[in-house]
Amino acid sequence: ETGVTQSPTHLIKTRGQQVTLRCSSQSGHNTVSWYQQALGQGPQFIFQYYREEENGRGNFPPRFSGLQFPNYSSELNVNALELDDSALYLCASGPWGRDTQYFGPGTRLTVL
Amino acid sequence: DQQVKQNSPSLSVQEGRISILNCDYTNSMFDYFLWYKKYPAEGPTFLISISSIKDKNEDGRFTVFLNKSAKHLSLHIVPSQPGDSAVYFCAASGFPGTGANSKLTFGKGITLSVRP
Repeated sequence: ETGVTQSPTHLIKTRGQQVTLRCSSQSGHNTVSWYQQALGQGPQFIFQYYREEENGRGNFPPRFSGLQFPNYSSELNVNALELDDSALYLCASGPWGRDTQYFGPGTRLTVL
Repeated sequence: DQQVKQNSPSLSVQEGRISILNCDYTNSMFDYFLWYKKYPAEGPTFLISISSIKDKNEDGRFTVFLNKSAKHLSLHIVPSQPGDSAVYFCAASGFPGTGANSKLTFGKGITLSVRP
């Protein structure tokens, strides 16, 4: 059984650019959530996807958007990057209706 | 507005002794509570969870206690091992399958160091 995978591992962008991060859910999981973890903080919920639709959103602006594909893989897109977007971005998957979410290793995004 | 609080940033214990990690929350609508462990350069790894209808859940060396009236939970690790050294996050969620209500709200984490 393959766990949650994310790509790329690291990424460096400049202010104003756009970035796409990718996630493959664990087999059998039909929800995917994205979290942002700033240095010294706990992960912060960005949004969740279920059945290819956004199913809940945290306190993040619309320039953070996402997609879920029929095979339950997912993308996180961030437009007009700002310096404060520098963080570890975590993808988590889980079965609908269960409390536990399983995390991938994360993508470290640095915005210069 | 921090709804899940881990007030101690670090804890150091001797190998073989008990580690007690504490967590407080303010939102009475939380239904599930989870503990995750995180090593550097890895994502959080699920450890143990507890439903709000229980006050204790045990899994091997790990036990989580929930005191709803005090809005407090704790993770006990007995006996502690050097491999337990990591950052531990407390997280809470609403009822599963309810979209944004089932999101995980995390504390800031506590760094546990287990001395050989």
